[in-house]
Amino acid sequence: DQQVKQNSPSLSVQEGRISILNCDYTNSMFDYFLWYKKYPAEGPTFLISISSIKDKNEDGRFTVFLNKSAKHLSLHIVPSQPGDSAVYFCAAASSGGSYIPTFGRGTSLIVHP
Amino acid sequence: DAGITQSPRYKITETGRQVTLMCHQTWSHSYMFWYRQDLGHGLRLIYYSAAADITDKGEVPDGYVVSRSKTENFPLTLESATRSQTSVYFCASSVQGNSPLHFGNGTRLTVT
Repeated sequence: DQQVKQNSPSLSVQEGRISILNCDYTNSMFDYFLWYKKYPAEGPTFLISISSIKDKNEDGRFTVFLNKSAKHLSLHIVPSQPGDSAVYFCAAASSGGSYIPTFGRGTSLIVHP
Repeated sequence: DAGITQSPRYKITETGRQVTLMCHQTWSHSYMFWYRQDLGHGLRLIYYSAAADITDKGEVPDGYVVSRSKTENFPLTLESATRSQTSVYFCASSVQGNSPLHFGNGTRLTVT
């Protein structure tokens, strides 16, 4: 049973607009969340993380929002750029589980010029 | 160069053969991981290791064996490859549990 769900396999956005990628989780023990970006033929790279003690974390154009009651997090990219076109993986981990991350299936983001 | 490297990048093998995928990191990170990426499944954890000589199963360990005699190396062995093990395999490392993972560039394995 999927514990981390990314229900949108793909997302298409115009350059300059906002990209919003969503992620839901079912395990209430998860208390650390991460987003990774993956280009073709490369390994995933870490983008941004958030601890459950926060509801927002910002790093440049990237902001992650966490709604613990809804077990939902989202990644906002503003403004979106063509170089942001990649697959984005949401991951969740538990401090009680040695922080071993569980990944979602990924969302493919395409940013059109 | 510092980093995490996987070899080979591409491998074709036959059903029933044993194959070993190599992973080497130069950071002396404590944790190392093996994930497989399949269409429709995302990244699934095969095995991980918290330190040398300590390994543990992940979500999909069947058919795989790992060892970690040295901190920097974490080889993954398919003892008798099956077609269902055709996948892209990613090795990763992290300095400690609540640190982001650093991934290698993957090994694309095809089992015929």
